[in-house]
Amino acid sequence: QQQVKQSPQSLIVQKGGISIINCAYENTAFDYFPWYQQFPGKGPALLIAIRPDVSEKKEGRFTISFNKSAKQFSLHIMDSQPGDSATYFCAASMGSNYQLIWGAGTKLIIKP
Amino acid sequence: DAGVIQSPRHEVTEMGQEVTLRCKPISGHDYLFWYRQTMMRGLELLIYFNNNVPIDDSGMPEDRFSAKMPNASFSTLKIQPSEPRDSAVYFCASSPSRGGYTFGSGTRLTVV
Repeated sequence: QQQVKQSPQSLIVQKGGISIINCAYENTAFDYFPWYQQFPGKGPALLIAIRPDVSEKKEGRFTISFNKSAKQFSLHIMDSQPGDSATYFCAASMGSNYQLIWGAGTKLIIKP
Repeated sequence: DAGVIQSPRHEVTEMGQEVTLRCKPISGHDYLFWYRQTMMRGLELLIYFNNNVPIDDSGMPEDRFSAKMPNASFSTLKIQPSEPRDSAVYFCASSPSRGGYTFGSGTRLTVV
Protein backbone atom coordinates (compact mmCIF):
# COMPACT_ATOMS: atom_id res chain seq x y z
CA GLN A 1 0.00 0.00 0.00
CA GLN A 2 3.03 2.21 0.34
CA GLN A 3 4.01 1.81 -3.31
CA VAL A 4 3.85 4.34 -6.09
CA LYS A 5 3.74 2.65 -9.50
CA GLN A 6 5.18 4.63 -12.40
CA SER A 7 4.88 3.97 -16.12
CA PRO A 8 6.29 3.76 -18.68
CA GLN A 9 9.84 2.77 -17.76
CA SER A 10 11.14 4.57 -20.85
CA LEU A 11 9.63 6.91 -23.40
CA ILE A 12 10.75 8.33 -26.72
CA VAL A 13 8.95 11.42 -28.04
CA GLN A 14 9.56 13.58 -31.07
CA LYS A 15 10.53 17.19 -30.53
CA GLY A 16 7.41 19.30 -30.21
CA GLY A 17 5.28 16.39 -29.07
CA ILE A 18 3.56 15.75 -25.74
CA SER A 19 5.28 13.52 -23.19
CA ILE A 20 3.00 11.78 -20.69
CA ILE A 21 4.16 9.86 -17.63
CA ASN A 22 1.71 8.19 -15.29
CA CYS A 23 1.75 7.23 -11.62
CA ALA A 24 -0.69 5.34 -9.45
CA TYR A 25 -0.90 4.95 -5.69
CA GLU A 26 -2.95 3.00 -3.18
CA ASN A 27 -2.66 4.88 0.07
CA THR A 28 -5.42 7.50 0.27
CA ALA A 29 -3.56 9.21 3.11
CA PHE A 30 -1.00 10.57 0.64
CA ASP A 31 -1.48 14.32 0.33
CA TYR A 32 1.59 15.60 -1.50
CA PHE A 33 2.61 14.49 -4.99
CA PRO A 34 5.81 15.92 -6.45
CA TRP A 35 7.63 15.22 -9.69
CA TYR A 36 11.39 15.29 -9.87
CA GLN A 37 13.67 15.60 -12.90
CA GLN A 38 17.13 14.07 -12.93
CA PHE A 39 19.88 14.69 -15.47
CA PRO A 40 22.87 12.32 -15.71
CA GLY A 41 25.43 13.04 -13.02
CA LYS A 42 23.05 15.24 -11.03
CA GLY A 43 20.68 14.75 -8.15
CA PRO A 44 16.92 14.81 -8.72
CA ALA A 45 15.46 18.32 -8.78
CA LEU A 46 11.91 19.26 -7.83
CA LEU A 47 9.98 20.08 -10.99
CA ILE A 48 6.39 20.57 -9.91
CA ALA A 49 4.12 19.32 -7.12
CA ILE A 50 0.41 19.05 -6.42
CA ARG A 51 -1.87 18.49 -3.45
CA PRO A 52 -5.15 16.57 -3.78
CA ASP A 53 -7.38 19.61 -3.37
CA VAL A 54 -6.77 20.56 -7.03
CA SER A 55 -7.11 18.48 -10.18
CA GLU A 56 -4.47 20.21 -12.25
CA LYS A 57 -1.41 22.39 -11.82
CA LYS A 58 0.50 24.00 -14.63
CA GLU A 59 3.96 25.56 -14.64
CA GLY A 60 5.12 26.59 -18.07
CA ARG A 61 5.18 23.53 -20.34
CA PHE A 62 4.77 21.14 -17.39
CA THR A 63 1.34 20.10 -16.10
CA ILE A 64 0.33 17.67 -13.36
CA SER A 65 -3.11 16.12 -13.74
CA PHE A 66 -4.53 14.55 -10.59
CA ASN A 67 -7.43 12.09 -10.40
CA LYS A 68 -8.26 11.52 -6.75
CA SER A 69 -10.98 8.91 -7.34
CA ALA A 70 -8.72 6.83 -9.57
CA LYS A 71 -5.70 7.41 -7.31
CA GLN A 72 -3.63 8.42 -10.29
CA PHE A 73 -1.58 11.43 -11.29
CA SER A 74 0.37 12.21 -14.39
CA LEU A 75 2.97 14.59 -15.77
CA HIS A 76 2.42 16.15 -19.15
CA ILE A 77 5.25 17.93 -20.94
CA MET A 78 3.94 20.06 -23.79
CA ASP A 79 6.09 20.98 -26.79
CA SER A 80 8.79 18.57 -25.60
CA GLN A 81 12.35 19.69 -26.26
CA PRO A 82 15.66 17.77 -26.44
CA GLY A 83 16.67 19.55 -23.21
CA ASP A 84 13.79 17.75 -21.47
CA SER A 85 15.58 14.43 -21.98
CA ALA A 86 16.07 13.18 -18.43
CA THR A 87 14.76 10.67 -15.92
CA TYR A 88 11.52 11.68 -14.24
CA PHE A 89 10.37 10.42 -10.86
CA CYS A 90 6.96 10.75 -9.29
CA ALA A 91 6.62 10.52 -5.53
CA ALA A 92 4.09 10.81 -2.72
CA SER A 93 4.06 11.54 0.97
CA MET A 94 1.48 11.91 3.70
CA GLY A 95 0.87 14.49 6.33
CA SER A 96 3.77 15.47 8.47
CA ASN A 97 5.74 12.37 7.47
CA TYR A 98 8.15 13.79 4.93
CA GLN A 99 9.45 10.46 3.79
CA LEU A 100 8.71 10.43 0.08
CA ILE A 101 7.62 7.18 -1.53
CA TRP A 102 9.21 7.14 -4.97
CA GLY A 103 8.16 5.75 -8.30
CA ALA A 104 10.75 3.71 -10.23
CA GLY A 105 11.47 6.48 -12.72
CA THR A 106 10.89 7.07 -16.44
CA LYS A 107 13.75 7.69 -18.81
CA LEU A 108 12.51 10.25 -21.35
CA ILE A 109 14.30 10.82 -24.64
CA ILE A 110 13.20 13.65 -26.92
CA LYS A 111 14.30 13.08 -30.50
CA PRO A 112 15.25 16.22 -32.47
CA ASP B 1 22.56 29.72 -1.22
CA ALA B 2 25.03 27.18 -2.64
CA GLY B 3 22.53 24.36 -2.34
CA VAL B 4 23.22 21.00 -0.72
CA ILE B 5 26.94 20.32 -0.82
CA GLN B 6 28.28 16.78 -0.88
CA SER B 7 31.85 15.59 -0.77
CA PRO B 8 33.67 13.85 -2.26
CA ARG B 9 32.08 13.72 -5.74
CA HIS B 10 33.81 10.46 -6.50
CA GLU B 11 35.32 7.86 -4.20
CA VAL B 12 37.14 4.71 -5.21
CA THR B 13 38.16 2.46 -2.37
CA GLU B 14 39.23 -1.10 -1.74
CA MET B 15 36.97 -3.63 -0.16
CA GLY B 16 37.25 -3.56 3.61
CA GLN B 17 38.18 0.09 3.85
CA GLU B 18 36.19 2.69 5.72
CA VAL B 19 34.34 5.27 3.63
CA THR B 20 32.95 8.57 4.90
CA LEU B 21 30.57 10.65 2.84
CA ARG B 22 29.81 14.22 3.84
CA CYS B 23 26.88 16.54 3.42
CA LYS B 24 26.16 20.19 4.16
CA PRO B 25 22.42 20.90 3.95
CA ILE B 26 20.80 24.17 3.03
CA SER B 27 20.71 26.55 5.97
CA GLY B 28 17.30 26.61 7.60
CA HIS B 29 16.22 23.22 6.30
CA ASP B 30 15.27 21.03 9.22
CA TYR B 31 15.07 17.69 7.40
CA LEU B 32 18.06 15.82 6.00
CA PHE B 33 17.89 12.60 3.99
CA TRP B 34 20.49 10.11 2.79
CA TYR B 35 19.60 8.14 -0.34
CA ARG B 36 21.35 5.51 -2.40
CA GLN B 37 20.71 5.14 -6.13
CA THR B 38 21.52 2.13 -8.29
CA MET B 39 20.22 0.94 -11.62
CA MET B 40 18.81 -2.20 -10.06
CA ARG B 41 17.10 -0.73 -7.00
CA GLY B 42 16.45 2.88 -7.97
CA LEU B 43 16.33 5.48 -5.19
CA GLU B 44 16.46 3.99 -1.71
CA LEU B 45 16.03 6.03 1.45
CA LEU B 46 18.70 5.03 3.94
CA ILE B 47 18.00 7.36 6.86
CA TYR B 48 16.52 10.75 7.61
CA PHE B 49 16.96 13.34 10.33
CA ASN B 50 14.67 16.03 11.69
CA ASN B 51 16.37 18.83 13.62
CA ASN B 52 19.54 16.71 13.76
CA VAL B 53 17.73 13.73 15.33
CA PRO B 54 17.56 10.44 13.39
CA ILE B 55 13.90 9.65 12.75
CA ASP B 56 13.94 6.54 10.60
CA ASP B 57 16.97 4.43 9.84
CA SER B 58 15.09 1.36 8.69
CA GLY B 59 16.59 1.72 5.22
CA MET B 60 20.16 1.35 6.40
CA PRO B 61 21.23 -1.94 4.81
CA GLU B 62 23.15 -3.35 7.74
CA ASP B 63 25.34 -2.49 10.69
CA ARG B 64 28.20 -1.57 8.40
CA PHE B 65 26.33 1.67 7.66
CA SER B 66 26.06 4.51 10.14
CA ALA B 67 25.01 8.14 9.88
CA LYS B 68 25.43 11.12 12.15
CA MET B 69 24.27 14.70 12.21
CA PRO B 70 26.25 16.48 14.92
CA ASN B 71 24.80 19.89 14.05
CA ALA B 72 22.37 21.55 11.67
CA SER B 73 24.99 22.18 9.02
CA PHE B 74 26.76 18.84 8.71
CA SER B 75 26.03 15.15 8.31
CA THR B 76 28.12 12.08 7.55
CA LEU B 77 27.35 8.63 6.21
CA LYS B 78 29.98 6.04 7.06
CA ILE B 79 30.45 2.55 5.66
CA GLN B 80 32.82 0.29 7.55
CA PRO B 81 33.94 -2.09 6.18
CA SER B 82 32.97 -1.33 2.59
CA GLU B 83 32.01 -4.09 0.13
CA PRO B 84 31.71 -4.10 -3.69
CA ARG B 85 27.91 -4.28 -3.42
CA ASP B 86 27.95 -0.87 -1.73
CA SER B 87 28.98 0.69 -5.05
CA ALA B 88 26.31 3.25 -5.91
CA VAL B 89 25.61 6.96 -6.05
CA TYR B 90 24.81 8.32 -2.60
CA PHE B 91 22.69 11.44 -2.39
CA CYS B 92 22.05 13.78 0.46
CA ALA B 93 18.92 15.94 0.35
CA SER B 94 17.50 18.57 2.66
CA SER B 95 14.02 19.99 3.03
CA PRO B 96 12.17 22.64 4.98
CA SER B 97 8.96 21.65 6.72
CA ARG B 98 6.19 21.19 4.14
CA GLY B 99 8.49 21.74 1.23
CA GLY B 100 10.26 19.92 -1.55
CA TYR B 101 13.60 18.23 -1.29
CA THR B 102 16.81 19.77 -2.60
CA PHE B 103 19.33 17.12 -3.55
CA GLY B 104 23.08 17.43 -3.67
CA SER B 105 25.03 16.31 -6.72
CA GLY B 106 25.82 12.99 -5.11
CA THR B 107 28.90 10.92 -4.34
CA ARG B 108 29.70 8.13 -6.77
CA LEU B 109 31.19 5.34 -4.68
CA THR B 110 33.10 2.48 -6.27
CA VAL B 111 34.35 -0.32 -4.04
CA VAL B 112 36.85 -2.61 -5.77
